[in-house]
Amino acid sequence: GDSVTQMEGPVTLSEEAFLTINCTYTATGYPSLFWYVQYPGEGLQLLLKATKADDKGSNKGFEATYRKETTSFHLEKGSVQVSDSAVYFCALGYSGYSTLTFGKGTMLLVSP
Amino acid sequence: DTAVSQTPKYLVTQMGNDKSIKCEQNLGHDTMYWYKQDSKKFLKIMFSYNNKELIINETVPNRFSPKSPDKAHLNLHINSLELGDSAVYFCASSQDGFYEQYFGPGTRLTVT
Repeated sequence: GDSVTQMEGPVTLSEEAFLTINCTYTATGYPSLFWYVQYPGEGLQLLLKATKADDKGSNKGFEATYRKETTSFHLEKGSVQVSDSAVYFCALGYSGYSTLTFGKGTMLLVSP
Repeated sequence: DTAVSQTPKYLVTQMGNDKSIKCEQNLGHDTMYWYKQDSKKFLKIMFSYNNKELIINETVPNRFSPKSPDKAHLNLHINSLELGDSAVYFCASSQDGFYEQYFGPGTRLTVT
């Protein structure tokens, strides 16, 4: 079956540091890939997505590239802010009525 | 306007009780979901409904029964609550054939 593996957290960074959160996947088909973010006390929000190999998703300064050869979708941001502190989930999904398969989430803590 | 709403936000109850969580979406989506998030933030799909019909039912005790009175609502009823049911429950919705899911704010259930 499909699975998503994320690096364990928490990831602790100072403001303006470079962020990478690793995500790799195992899939039986050709999924789309997603990053969701969960701020404290809130539900998940879609951060960015990529629907095919070599696509780059980007939003709010975050980027991730769909790498089929390495089955990865690493999340990056050049300069993090305190407001980026949240839990980040990598996920994969297919069109139609299927659900998303989530990774276990990675907590990011950014200090001033 | 709230896209996906859940009530209640917090629910504290004793073992053995029966409780319900309600979910409504005003996005016009055809598919709705229930997820369970445990204390380690792991997110697991429970049910998925498309146009009021159950399409995915993961390995969930039959004490959990989803009900969809119309495609804008998906409620979750839980019988004979157990300590292990304590978690945050998220409702989500998506449009047919699209991957992006919109999440509600969650309901934190505590069983004592």
